[in-house]
Amino acid sequence: AQSVTQLGSHVSVSEGALVLLRCNYSSSVPPYLFWYVQYPNQGLQLLLKYTTGATLVKGINGFEAEFKKSETSFHLTKPSAHMSDAAEYFCAVSVTNSGYSTLTFGKGTMLLVSP
Amino acid sequence: SQTIHQWPATLVQPVGSPLSLECTVEGTSNPNLYWYRQAAGRGLQLLFYSVGIGQISSEVPQNLSASRPQDRQFILSSKKLLLSDSGFYLCAWSRLDSYEQYFGPGTRLTVT
Repeated sequence: AQSVTQLGSHVSVSEGALVLLRCNYSSSVPPYLFWYVQYPNQGLQLLLKYTTGATLVKGINGFEAEFKKSETSFHLTKPSAHMSDAAEYFCAVSVTNSGYSTLTFGKGTMLLVSP
Repeated sequence: SQTIHQWPATLVQPVGSPLSLECTVEGTSNPNLYWYRQAAGRGLQLLFYSVGIGQISSEVPQNLSASRPQDRQFILSSKKLLLSDSGFYLCAWSRLDSYEQYFGPGTRLTVT
């Protein structure tokens, strides 16, 4: 069965510092991988996705992630944090269950940005 | 463009009362539809998904149910709410044969 592990429920950075949010997945088939962001009391917004092809994918708001099959990882990075990046981030992996396509989400990582 | 609506935005209900949350999608046809519940520190829990009218699959047995009376309408219901039903409920849709999901704004349910 497919699963996702996000290391660290909370990550704190200073404004301007590198952001690194970790995601490891488990999948018996080639995965599709996603990062979503959630601001307080809002729905989830897609940041970026990996399906096939280039392993380094770029998303919105300056975020990017690299698919590393050998490490079963899909870590999210941003070179310089901004105050507006403070939010909760979810990694997700594709799941095919009895012909239905859906996603399994990690438990989320709250990103805190200090001035 | 596609949009997804959920209502109500917030709801406070007593234990034992019924529940009906509604989700509608505009700008697309034959979407896959999903209901998730989000509790603090527990991530997103998939409750139901639907690939068509009247086709509902349940991921977690509980006192909630879902229905899809129209192609772009998805309803989450309960006959009697429990305290443990409190949480943030999210509806999402995806295109057929696509994993990418798009989320609604959510409903905050507090059961008292």
